[in-house]
Amino acid sequence: QVEVVESGGGVVQPGRSLRLSCAASGFTFRNYDMDWVRQAPGKGLDWVAVITYDGRNKYYAESVKGRFTISRDNSQNTLYLHLNSLTTEDTAVYHCVRGGGSGTDRFFDSWGQGTPVTVSS
Amino acid sequence: QSVLTQPPSVSGAPGQRVTISCTGSSSNLGAASHVHWYQHLPGAAPKLLIFANTNRPSGVPDRFSGSRSGTSASLAISGLRAEDEADYYCQSYDVSLSGSVFGGGTKLTVL
Repeated sequence: QVEVVESGGGVVQPGRSLRLSCAASGFTFRNYDMDWVRQAPGKGLDWVAVITYDGRNKYYAESVKGRFTISRDNSQNTLYLHLNSLTTEDTAVYHCVRGGGSGTDRFFDSWGQGTPVTVSS
Repeated sequence: QSVLTQPPSVSGAPGQRVTISCTGSSSNLGAASHVHWYQHLPGAAPKLLIFANTNRPSGVPDRFSGSRSGTSASLAISGLRAEDEADYYCQSYDVSLSGSVFGGGTKLTVL
């Protein structure tokens, strides 16, 4: 069955960096666009970034543009999110998500449990 | 402040029917973007409940249904059960922001 498992979260000081990973299995990873979605404590879901199936196109939420970088390794069935210049506002559980649909009708059909990131001095 | 607006909470007794609204604007639901719904149970990963306004993924009971009109959409849950108690989110695409957007979430309490 489809499974995505995140790792790499932890406690980090403001201004520092972190790399999250997502191991995918149970589907042909190279055929799917993939996203990261986060949820801050006590808040709702917040879309972060998407990368197309071939890695050629990447799009980001305004709140992370220029600081976060999404990437993938289709040979390793792995998705990444590089988080730079972290602030306390980035504290959240980060979910790896498989994309469904296409274009403006995209949705998220498989979610990981998430990896927590805490930005604190 | 979320781009899509949902009521913070709804409640209903077992067996009843409840609806959760999702209101957008001309740059998302009004731009003909589809709306999708997710269920987030405590301690679990969010789960796709409805996609493309009205479609249920395999395994989702037909107690859950979606509708959409103009810049608004609704999720209806009939025959409420205790296990439906969760947070529900709507999601769409915003052409002005060039990205996916979520509602703020609605907490469903089964009385």
